[in-house]
Amino acid sequence: EAGVAQSPRYKIIEKRQSVAFWCNPISGHATLYWYQQILGQGPKLLIQFQNNGVVDDSQLPKDRFSAERLKGVDSTLKIQPAKLEDSAVYLCASSLGRGGTKNEKLFFGSGTQLSVL
Amino acid sequence: GESVGLHLPTLSVQEGDNSIINCAYSNSASDYFIWYKQESGKGPQFIIDIRSNMDKRQGQRVTVLLNKTVKHLSLQIAATQPGDSAVYFCAEKKMNTGNQFYFGTGTSLTVIP
Repeated sequence: EAGVAQSPRYKIIEKRQSVAFWCNPISGHATLYWYQQILGQGPKLLIQFQNNGVVDDSQLPKDRFSAERLKGVDSTLKIQPAKLEDSAVYLCASSLGRGGTKNEKLFFGSGTQLSVL
Repeated sequence: GESVGLHLPTLSVQEGDNSIINCAYSNSASDYFIWYKQESGKGPQFIIDIRSNMDKRQGQRVTVLLNKTVKHLSLQIAATQPGDSAVYFCAEKKMNTGNQFYFGTGTSLTVIP
């Protein structure tokens, strides 16, 4: 089956500019996540969607980050304006999200590497 | 706060030897754990998982051990190969809490040919 698709693969912007990332989860996966992975660290959850609703966005810096999943499939994550400390890999993951062990595994995309200069 | 941590940030092993990667967790309510492998430039890839009602689970060349008494998780890789070189993360979650995983810092495994 096709995996989680993300684009762009790389993005370089200057601070105070805006940027958007796109994610297409595995077909049929109800739950979608955005993670931020700073170099040398583990992924940190930014936001979790169940279908088109937000389950948890407690760690999303809402003054500059926003995300949506309007039709319950694709999702976009936006940063506006970007700061130097936003330089990281932004990973999208999905899961079936219907309970039970097999449904709980996260499947990750390759990520978007963002460099803010 | 709660955290998932790893004992060693880097590990080097000879090809063919067995590797052991350790992980300590502090949330005693965590009851589901996953090991992920992340190669350079790629997203984390599922390796093996274990529930808290188990002590051991085996996969192909990999074994995960869970010691709930000391809140310790380990990943054993048998006959380590160059393709096993990557960063390994343990992730924990509490069941029925929105499927939120918390990741540790990671251990970088280097296999020496």
